[in-house]
Amino acid sequence: DQQVKQNSPSLSVQEGRISILNCDYTNSMFDYFLWYKKYPAEGPTFLISISSIKDKNEDGRFTVFLNKSAKHLSLHIVPSQPGDSAVYFCAASLRYNFNKFYFGSGTKLNVKP
Amino acid sequence: SQTIHQWPATLVQPVGSPLSLECTVEGTSNPNLYWYRQAAGRGLQLLFYSVGIGQISSEVPQNLSASRPQDRQFILSSKKLLLSDSGFYLCAWTLGRGTEAFFGQGTRLTVV
Repeated sequence: DQQVKQNSPSLSVQEGRISILNCDYTNSMFDYFLWYKKYPAEGPTFLISISSIKDKNEDGRFTVFLNKSAKHLSLHIVPSQPGDSAVYFCAASLRYNFNKFYFGSGTKLNVKP
Repeated sequence: SQTIHQWPATLVQPVGSPLSLECTVEGTSNPNLYWYRQAAGRGLQLLFYSVGIGQISSEVPQNLSASRPQDRQFILSSKKLLLSDSGFYLCAWTLGRGTEAFFGQGTRLTVV
């Protein structure tokens, strides 16, 4: 039962343009959402998070948007750089339940020079 | 600063052999600890989590078990590996509610 879904397995973007990665979830009890970046043969590294009480959080080139009514979140990267090429995972958490994280299947982003 | 160590980085084991993967966290106390697995072409699946010494919760029925003998040590084990146990295993920790998880570098397990 996949509670967090990333329906696009891959995305290709030109350097300097915007990358938009999407994520949907089914459990309305999730109250904390995160994005991770992962290179091959390495552990995921935390990028940015958002609490369910907000609809936007920005950190440099990265912005996460949360639409609770649609159970949808997205990560915007502007401008995209070749070093951003990696697999991006979204995750959702039930903070009352000892902070268990549920991950999507990932989207592989390729930023072309 | 906090760090997480996970070893070995790669492991090739025959079917039916035992498994022991170890994870340790430094620089923090009483972390929540997690074991995840990423199968080929799949996302990260939560296998086990622990909120304290000796406290283990299993998320999915499987051929694996976990133990937490010390506050900052988390071990993933199996008595007899199956081919389907192959994957990329990740240990992670958090300090508690409302905080992000930090991951180790992972172990690539291939069962042959």
